[in-house]
Amino acid sequence: DAGITQSPRHKVTETGTPVTLRCHQTENHRYMYWYRQDPGHGLRLIHYSYGVKDTDKGEVSDGYSVSRSKTEDFLLTLESATSSQTSVYFCAISGTGVNTEAFFGQGTRLTVV
Amino acid sequence: AQSVAQPEDQVNVAEGNPLTVKCTYSVSGNPYLFWYVQYPNRGLQFLLKYITGDNLVKGSYGFEAEFNKSQTSFHLKKPSALVSDSALYFCAVRAPFYGNNRLAFGKGNQVVVIP
Repeated sequence: DAGITQSPRHKVTETGTPVTLRCHQTENHRYMYWYRQDPGHGLRLIHYSYGVKDTDKGEVSDGYSVSRSKTEDFLLTLESATSSQTSVYFCAISGTGVNTEAFFGQGTRLTVV
Repeated sequence: AQSVAQPEDQVNVAEGNPLTVKCTYSVSGNPYLFWYVQYPNRGLQFLLKYITGDNLVKGSYGFEAEFNKSQTSFHLKKPSALVSDSALYFCAVRAPFYGNNRLAFGKGNQVVVIP
């Protein structure tokens, strides 16, 4: 299995509080992604990174920010959590060239109350 | 921007029968195409990919997929379904030749294999 770890695995937080989810990889892959999974919507891209300090927005980026200060870590921050951000969040990593398939973490179940 | 359509929410198939999960895509240029499977309370697992070459690609667990450029499709197939194939299946696309490495997913298909 690809070396990718998400933390925490579960979190309950209150509306209005900031929350940071961490994705850590040991594969030295260039690309890292954050998705959220919701019933009826599949996987929707929040942000992705194509290198250290290089990030871009996905289709549902409002209310989220990311940072990548090291190759191995990609942080997702909910600036002020809302109930609509209750979801399962997945981090993924992928390489370049023929090794372009993505590998996923186990997910973080976030509940905003 | 690239996108993927998986037209059926759920696919029901009897055990031992052929399984097909449909996927169509929209992308500028040549696509990289992928299939993933998700079991309950788990992350996504990679099944197979099309990058270039032979339009029929084989993957894990006896699955295969056929790339059809004219129909912009990449349907997943298995000749004989197993009950253990019951899961959520996702198709995904990216278009790296245009400098866009976003990996876009479809909404997923729930596959139910009936014993």
